Amino acid sequence: GDSVTQMEGPVTLSEEAFLTINCTYTATGYPSLFWYVQYPGEGLQLLLKATKADDKGSNKGFEATYRKETTSFHLEKGSVQVSDSAVYFCALSMTGGTSYGKLTFGQGTILTVHP
Amino acid sequence: DADVTQTPRNRITKTGKRIMLECSQTKGHDRMYWYRQDPGLGLRLIYYSFDVKDINKGEISDGYSVSRQAQAKFSLSLESAIPNQTALYFCATSARGGTGQPQHFGDGTRLSIL
Repeated sequence: GDSVTQMEGPVTLSEEAFLTINCTYTATGYPSLFWYVQYPGEGLQLLLKATKADDKGSNKGFEATYRKETTSFHLEKGSVQVSDSAVYFCALSMTGGTSYGKLTFGQGTILTVHP
Repeated sequence: DADVTQTPRNRITKTGKRIMLECSQTKGHDRMYWYRQDPGLGLRLIYYSFDVKDINKGEISDGYSVSRQAQAKFSLSLESAIPNQTALYFCATSARGGTGQPQHFGDGTRLSIL
């Protein structure tokens, strides 16, 4: 079945450091890919998305590129801030069959940024 | 006001009790979902509904039931709660359309079963 694998956490960085959170997926078709962020005590919020190969999603300084050849959607940010501390989830949504419209999530990566 | 509202936000109850978690939305979306979140496991889909007359099981539906009372309301019930159902529960909604439609989440219900 469809699955998403994220890099193990937690990730701890100093402010202004470069961030990469790896995400790879397994799917039988051509999914849409998402990154969601969960701040403490809150629900998940969409951070960015990409719906086809080579698309780049971006928002709030975060970027991720849909790489079909490596089945990856790695999240990057050039300079993190303390306010970026949160849990980050990679997810996919399939295009057809019984999985249509449903999200499959990775296990989440906890990011902590220190001043 | 929140677009997706979950009640209660926290609940502690005992094994064997019946519990209902409620979700209402003002986004006008047709599709609604219930997930549970456990540490290290991400979110797993319990049930989903693509319109008022459509209810579908997700990957972990055993021990749960749902009711879609209206387009805006989707409730989750635990008929006889057990301790391994202790988790954080989220309701989400999405619009119709292709798979690029994002889901919009409530703030969650933290459920503890003793």
